[in-house]
Amino acid sequence: GAVVSQHPSRVICKSGTSVKIECRSLDFQATTMFWYRQFPKQSLMLMATSNEGSKATYEQGVEKDKFLINHASLTLSTLTVTSAHPEDSSFYICSARSPSGTVSYEQYFGPGTRLTVT
Amino acid sequence: DAKTTQPNSMESNEEEPVHLPCNHSTISGTDYIHWYRQLPSQGPEYVIHGLTSNVNNRMASLAIAEDRKSSTLILHRATLRDAAVYYCIALSSNYKLTFGKGTLLTVNP
Repeated sequence: GAVVSQHPSRVICKSGTSVKIECRSLDFQATTMFWYRQFPKQSLMLMATSNEGSKATYEQGVEKDKFLINHASLTLSTLTVTSAHPEDSSFYICSARSPSGTVSYEQYFGPGTRLTVT
Repeated sequence: DAKTTQPNSMESNEEEPVHLPCNHSTISGTDYIHWYRQLPSQGPEYVIHGLTSNVNNRMASLAIAEDRKSSTLILHRATLRDAAVYYCIALSSNYKLTFGKGTLLTVNP
């Protein structure tokens, strides 16, 4: 299957600073990537859909000015958590699907990034 | 998106088959049924998907009821590495995966 990587795998930052998380599709091109957040012992929650060359679409309740998403190429999407607070501490996961995909096509997930805000 | 219902947890013994059920009674005719699994502190992993016919791959089999209101993920011989949370998702044309609570599968040695 296709491989999606995330960097960094783990990050600790101070409250008020910004953190950038990268999501890369290593062996395929992805016009659409998704960003999820997962709190301990909870399920994944979709934050936003990232489309190459256009603005991301955010789910209800997700602050677009706080979680900046950029999908500048067919293999890279970035999520920047701005002015991070301790409540932003979570496991952030991205996924990607191939550009020719229909709903029958599977999504490939990255390994996740553990963010801790102190 | 159609809602899916899964048992909170299931237990199996190593080397035995496991049948993980999923109800999706409100699924539309064009929604695909996707299964993913997630090991602790990892991103989800694709397992299998189908529309109407039963499907097999190297990881598992997917049995879909004739009325499509339910499906069953079948692991033919469970191993300790299969212990994970299994998510059944009805995927609609917006491509968004809506994760429920899933089924926590425990595999006993």
